[in-house]
Amino acid sequence: SQQGEEDPQALSIQEGENATMNCSYKTSINNLQWYRQNSGRGLVHLILIRSNEREKHSGRLRVTLDTSKKSSSLLITASRAADTASYFCASYQAGTALIFGKGTTLSVSS
Amino acid sequence: GAGVSQSPSNKVTEKGKDVELRCDPISGHTALYWYRQSLGQGLEFLIYFQGNSAPDKSGLPSDRFSAERTGGSVSTLTIQRTQQEDSAVYLCASSLVAGEDYNSPLHFGNGTRLTVT
Repeated sequence: SQQGEEDPQALSIQEGENATMNCSYKTSINNLQWYRQNSGRGLVHLILIRSNEREKHSGRLRVTLDTSKKSSSLLITASRAADTASYFCASYQAGTALIFGKGTTLSVSS
Repeated sequence: GAGVSQSPSNKVTEKGKDVELRCDPISGHTALYWYRQSLGQGLEFLIYFQGNSAPDKSGLPSDRFSAERTGGSVSTLTIQRTQQEDSAVYLCASSLVAGEDYNSPLHFGNGTRLTVT
């Protein structure tokens, strides 16, 4: 089962532009996490935002959380070709298993 | 330090054969997860282990799938009588502890790509 659903499924932008990905989830959460996956590799943890936080920054990443709408967004500013990857949101569902969405595939061209 | 290690990185097997996939988690991590990722898809949760507690097997798709974790460290995912629909990348991850109360991120291996012919 999916706890999070990312939108859009695919995004293509030019270097220097900003990329915004959205995630909606179903059940109440204590925190929500974002991960990145480069082609042929495992996932890498990017950032975690707690349910009592509305916004969090890490370098060029900005994550927002709206618990009333059960949604989160990941913004990558001034994107680079190296940001090309799939991005997943994840949260816990009814227990201690971390459940991932289907991901957004980001393509940044130079 | 060493990350999560999975072996083999690729496995091709004939339909009906059994396969074993291995995962070496990060030392000291008490939680270990298995996920499956089909081509271009998201991650499907399979099973997770937390310390000495009984594993959460709620994600296993059928009784052909089983996993064990010996000594709280290395884990093996076994698929019996493989079918073509089992073809996917099997990802293992570990974390310090499991559960949303602890905010422990997952550290993933690079996966085992399983192809059933």
